Amino acid sequence: AQTVTQSQPEMSVQEAETVTLSCTYDTSENNYYLFWYKQPPSRQMILVIRQEAYKQQNATENRFSVNFQKAAKSFSLKISDSQLGDTAMYFCAFMISNAGGTSYGKLTFGQGTILTVHP
Amino acid sequence: DVKVTQSSRYLVKRTGEKVFLECVQDMDHENMFWYRQDPGLGLRLIYFSYDVKMKEKGDIPEGYSVSREKKERFSLILESASTNQTSMYLCASSFWGLGAFFGQGTRLTVV
Repeated sequence: AQTVTQSQPEMSVQEAETVTLSCTYDTSENNYYLFWYKQPPSRQMILVIRQEAYKQQNATENRFSVNFQKAAKSFSLKISDSQLGDTAMYFCAFMISNAGGTSYGKLTFGQGTILTVHP
Repeated sequence: DVKVTQSSRYLVKRTGEKVFLECVQDMDHENMFWYRQDPGLGLRLIYFSYDVKMKEKGDIPEGYSVSREKKERFSLILESASTNQTSMYLCASSFWGLGAFFGQGTRLTVV
């Protein structure tokens, strides 16, 4: 079974600064995907960034980037130039890569980190 | 854009009632999921479906059942609602590898 751990229940950052959210996971699988989701007060879960485990290059989406350390099973999210609209709950999630197999796209989530961006 | 729509944003039900939560997706995804979200616990998988009429239990299926009669629709059923089922319920659909696309959530209160 897979587990995902987010050890920071809450974090805060000043507007325009950089913040890093931590995530570790445990799995015996070699092929998988990792995701960061954002859930603002509207409750709509939004995919922020996606990483394929076989790719060594860290994924980047505008101000969002990840530090993927496969051997350490670590997947942190860095938010640069933080904006007030980044205030949200952030979830790290894991999915086994099993095309046509039995994973069915199931996600295992961490506990979430509440990020507050202060003006 | 993928759209996943849940029938209600807020529901208040009485203990013992049978409760239906409905979810519809418009992207012809094979896989659909029901998660429950509780503070400090993240999202936990209740049930999922990989095809019409096919379903499998997730991590916390007790007290719940599901129905998938059409590909686009996945229903979560609380046979006899209890107060410990007060929670946020999130429906999602996915095409493998792309991650899941979520509905807006239903906050259910059982009194």
